[in-house]
Amino acid sequence: GAGVSQSPSNKVTEKGKDVELRCDPISGHTALYWYRQSLGQGLEFLIYFQGNSAPDKSGLPSDRFSAERTGGSVSTLTIQRTQQEDSAVYLCASSPTTRGAITEAFFGQGTRLTVV
Amino acid sequence: GENVEQHPSTLSVQEGDSAVIKCTYSDSASNYFPWYKQELGKGPQLIIDIRSNVGEKKDQRIAVTLNKTAKHFSLHITETQPEDSAVYFCAATTRGTHASGGSYIPTFGRGTSLIVHP
Repeated sequence: GAGVSQSPSNKVTEKGKDVELRCDPISGHTALYWYRQSLGQGLEFLIYFQGNSAPDKSGLPSDRFSAERTGGSVSTLTIQRTQQEDSAVYLCASSPTTRGAITEAFFGQGTRLTVV
Repeated sequence: GENVEQHPSTLSVQEGDSAVIKCTYSDSASNYFPWYKQELGKGPQLIIDIRSNVGEKKDQRIAVTLNKTAKHFSLHITETQPEDSAVYFCAATTRGTHASGGSYIPTFGRGTSLIVHP
């Protein structure tokens, strides 16, 4: 497909379990973002990847959260020992943005995570 | 870091009326301001954007204005239709201080729920 793809679309997990969320960005996009959207809230920045540079992890809320991007393409967001406050929609976006030209971010449909 | 305030949180209008959503930002270095529309169960989608070297941009029924001095920007929707009902987010993009040399991260407002009544 031509858009950003996220999987799974929905995930229900028990408190204390680890979860992995996947993002397939648009081919050729060098920038990749993860955001979190809690019910009725805005988009909270989590982490940013740009090409081969070290990621900007300044938005990760705790050390239970980590992300990687393999081969400059697919990204995985991992949440360890999930807690109920981790319940939210996790959105991934990719962009052709480079240092010299900022352009729009294209969002996936998100993964709705529910921790019970 | 950047801080974006968005108002109102909810906006209810009659079909055919205009709708205005306002945002302010804190970082004078921000230079790209996109607006996104999010429909229920979907990811946000860009509807219009403006760069800091432009004061106004229009696309059919949608327009955005930017006042760099006051650090605020607004979305204007004219002749609203029921299908305009959605949550709208503003964002300001600035160059971060990440050691890698700069990361361009959009900071989003909290969103405005627009309801257009037929």
